[in-house]
Amino acid sequence: ETGVTQSPTHLIKTRGQQVTLRCSSQSGHNTVSWYQQALGQGPQFIFQYYREEENGRGNFPPRFSGLQFPNYSSELNVNALELDDSALYLCASSRTGTGGGYTFGSGTRLTVV
Amino acid sequence: QQPVQSPQAVILREGEDAVINCSSSKALYSVHWYRQKHGEAPVFLMILLKGGEQKGHDKISASFNEKKQQSSLYLTASQLSYSGTYFCGTEFWMEYGNKLVFGAGTILRVKS
Repeated sequence: ETGVTQSPTHLIKTRGQQVTLRCSSQSGHNTVSWYQQALGQGPQFIFQYYREEENGRGNFPPRFSGLQFPNYSSELNVNALELDDSALYLCASSRTGTGGGYTFGSGTRLTVV
Repeated sequence: QQPVQSPQAVILREGEDAVINCSSSKALYSVHWYRQKHGEAPVFLMILLKGGEQKGHDKISASFNEKKQQSSLYLTASQLSYSGTYFCGTEFWMEYGNKLVFGAGTILRVKS
């Protein structure tokens, strides 16, 4: 079974720019959740996608948006980047209704300068 | 909504035991436990559903007290490979899935 793949692994952007991060979910999983992890902190929930629709959102502004595609892969888009957006962005896939755990990707390290 | 973990950090010698606690102010559907090594993705250890069950995974086990809204992770006879940051995640219902909210983590370091 394939795991969760995220791309790119590292990214440097300038304040005010826009960025798109990508995630391929694990085979058999239909739900994707995105997390932001600052250094030394726990992952913070951004939002979750199921059946190509946003299904719940954390305390993040609208400039954080996403998509889920029919093959369950997903994108995270961040507009008008701010310095505080610098973090590790983690994607996790799961299968709704199975009571199973999340499989995380290795993340995208975003640096905003 | 973020669960509270304790302790923040613990240092052990190989073979020693440790307990990591996780508590929530809200009613829980389930509790997840993950371990993250430096520079790597969090890895799923186990999930505990409502019912006060206890689960085991090699020499790592966990309990879930639904009434107290608490979970504890037990690491027995620790090995060097147990080093990392341990996160508990508490699940809350959403329409089509569950939101998993993580604690701040407990740093575990096992020394030889």
